[in-house]
Amino acid sequence: KAGVTQTPRYLIKTRGQQVTLSCSPISGHRSVSWYQQTPGQGLQFLFEYFSETQRNKGNFPGRFSGRQFSNSRSEMNVSTLELGDSALYLCASRSDANTGELFFGEGSRLTVL
Amino acid sequence: AQSVTQLDSQVPVFEEAPVELRCNYSSSVSVYLFWYVQYPNQGLQLLLKYLSGSTLVKGINGFEAEFNKSQTSFHLRKPSVHISDTAEYFCAVIGGTSYGKLTFGQGTILTVHP
Repeated sequence: KAGVTQTPRYLIKTRGQQVTLSCSPISGHRSVSWYQQTPGQGLQFLFEYFSETQRNKGNFPGRFSGRQFSNSRSEMNVSTLELGDSALYLCASRSDANTGELFFGEGSRLTVL
Repeated sequence: AQSVTQLDSQVPVFEEAPVELRCNYSSSVSVYLFWYVQYPNQGLQLLLKYLSGSTLVKGINGFEAEFNKSQTSFHLRKPSVHISDTAEYFCAVIGGTSYGKLTFGQGTILTVHP
């Protein structure tokens, strides 16, 4: 069974640009969550989608947005990039069962110059 | 709301020695608890989880953890570490209607020396 796939793995942007990151969950998983990881703030929850609906949201500005498609693939978008958005963005998927176990992808490392 | 505190930011240890990584949590509802490991330039891998039942949980790579409700702790242990265990370890909690929202501790960097 293929794991969670994130693309691209690495990318470099400049301030003011926007970026879109993609996540393909494990087959059969309908929940997709996104996390930001930085050395200073650690792992912070961005949002979670289930069956194309945002079910939970963290404390990030509106520049951070996401969506989920009917095949459960998800994208997150960051507009008007700031230097502080440089981070590893991790996607995780979960089955319907309420065990809470998340399976993580390898992440997309964003560098903002 | 939940919170997680990992009491040690760095733990150095010699190969074949035992290790304990400490984790305390706070929550007003029942929780599920997890330990994840992250190797350099990789995502997070689940080591073990506590959902219910026996408070001693065994995971992969010889790790185990004990859930202590009265002390709100979930410490991770391994009786004998290897060089390959060098990584960052994260304790996490999910509870109530948090759905996909895991709350993580700040992480503990375990360094195993030969």
